[in-house]
Amino acid sequence: GDSVTQMEGPVTLSEEAFLTINCTYTATGYPSLFWYVQYPGEGLQLLLKATKADDKGSNKGFEATYRKETTSFHLEKGSVQVSDSAVYFCALRPPGSARQLTFGSGTQLTVLP
Amino acid sequence: DVKVTQSSRYLVKRTGEKVFLECVQDMDHENMFWYRQDPGLGLRLIYFSYDVKMKEKGDIPEGYSVSREKKERFSLILESASTNQTSMYLCASSLLWDMNTEAFFGQGTRLTVV
Repeated sequence: GDSVTQMEGPVTLSEEAFLTINCTYTATGYPSLFWYVQYPGEGLQLLLKATKADDKGSNKGFEATYRKETTSFHLEKGSVQVSDSAVYFCALRPPGSARQLTFGSGTQLTVLP
Repeated sequence: DVKVTQSSRYLVKRTGEKVFLECVQDMDHENMFWYRQDPGLGLRLIYFSYDVKMKEKGDIPEGYSVSREKKERFSLILESASTNQTSMYLCASSLLWDMNTEAFFGQGTRLTVV
């Protein structure tokens, strides 16, 4: 079945450091890919998405590129801030399905001043 | 502003109680979902519904049931709460006929069963 594998956390960085959170997936065909963020005590909110191969999603300085050849969708940010401290989830929706998302296990990010 | 609202942020219930978690969305979405979130396990799908009175089991439906009598409301029911159902519960909704659209989430209900 479909699955998403995320980099194990927690990740701790200093402010202004470069961030990469790895995400790889297993799915048939071309799923849609998403990154969600969960701030402390809150539900999930969409950070960015990509719906076809080679698409780049971007938002709030975060970027991720849909790489079909490596089945990956790694999240990057050039300079993190304390306010980026949160849990990040990679997710996919299978092709031809407008139903449920499959999520990775989440990566806790803490940014220190 | 689009909204998914869960009726409680925090709940404490006793073992054996029947528990109702309510979720309402105002976006006229066909799909509604209940997920459970546990540390290290990510989000696991309990049930989802793509229409009124329709439901499908997700990955971990045991011990849960759902009800969707109106399009905007999706309820999760714990028939007899147990301590291993202590968790964060997240409701979400999305459009049915657009696979590129994201799901919108509620703020979550943290349930403790004692």
